[in-house]
Amino acid sequence: QKEVEQNSGPLSVPEGAIASLNCTYSDRGSQSFFWYRQYSGKSPELIMFIYSNGDKEDGRFTAQLNKASQYVSLLIRDSQPSDSATYLCASRGGGTSYGKLTFGQGTILTVHP
Amino acid sequence: GAGVSQSPSNKVTEKGKDVELRCDPISGHTALYWYRQSLGQGLEFLIYFQGNSAPDKSGLPSDRFSAERTGGSVSTLTIQRTQQEDSAVYLCASSGLAGENTQYFGPGTRLTVL
Repeated sequence: QKEVEQNSGPLSVPEGAIASLNCTYSDRGSQSFFWYRQYSGKSPELIMFIYSNGDKEDGRFTAQLNKASQYVSLLIRDSQPSDSATYLCASRGGGTSYGKLTFGQGTILTVHP
Repeated sequence: GAGVSQSPSNKVTEKGKDVELRCDPISGHTALYWYRQSLGQGLEFLIYFQGNSAPDKSGLPSDRFSAERTGGSVSTLTIQRTQQEDSAVYLCASSGLAGENTQYFGPGTRLTVL
């Protein structure tokens, strides 16, 4: 079992719809969780992070964390074609591993006009 | 301002040769991270530095891989006796301190081992 798992997709949504991306993790010691976006041929860029149970909103993006279920999600409202990319979920551990991010395989999102 | 830079952007080498990959972090960032990304394995952690020390090098796949950082700035990842399975994009990231929430990634070095 991978430490961080994502549905690889592809996930296809129409422009203006809500895209829902999901991630589960196995290490209960994980402290924080991250969503990165990666365009083809480019390096990952951070969208947002979350470390407390509940929701965190930033513009069109909402991250949700449920530590009891070991589940993290990212909602993208009013999806745009420019949101088409691979979305990477990552967790960060504790102790000497607090500098290490463990990534899922990524979910490919396509937003079609 | 300047972001994380990496060189070379592309490297083609023959199996068995040694390669050095360089990372120059954002000025003032004390933490530096190496990852690699390949089609089969996704984005994998290799090692991170806080200053010149490496508290976690658990992701280095074999003793052919080593990394160093001197002067708390530039880091070099060295792969000895390269193998075809080493072919990947090697990404470097930096943050103000290890454990800070935002790691800024460089453009990567694409390594191809023939």
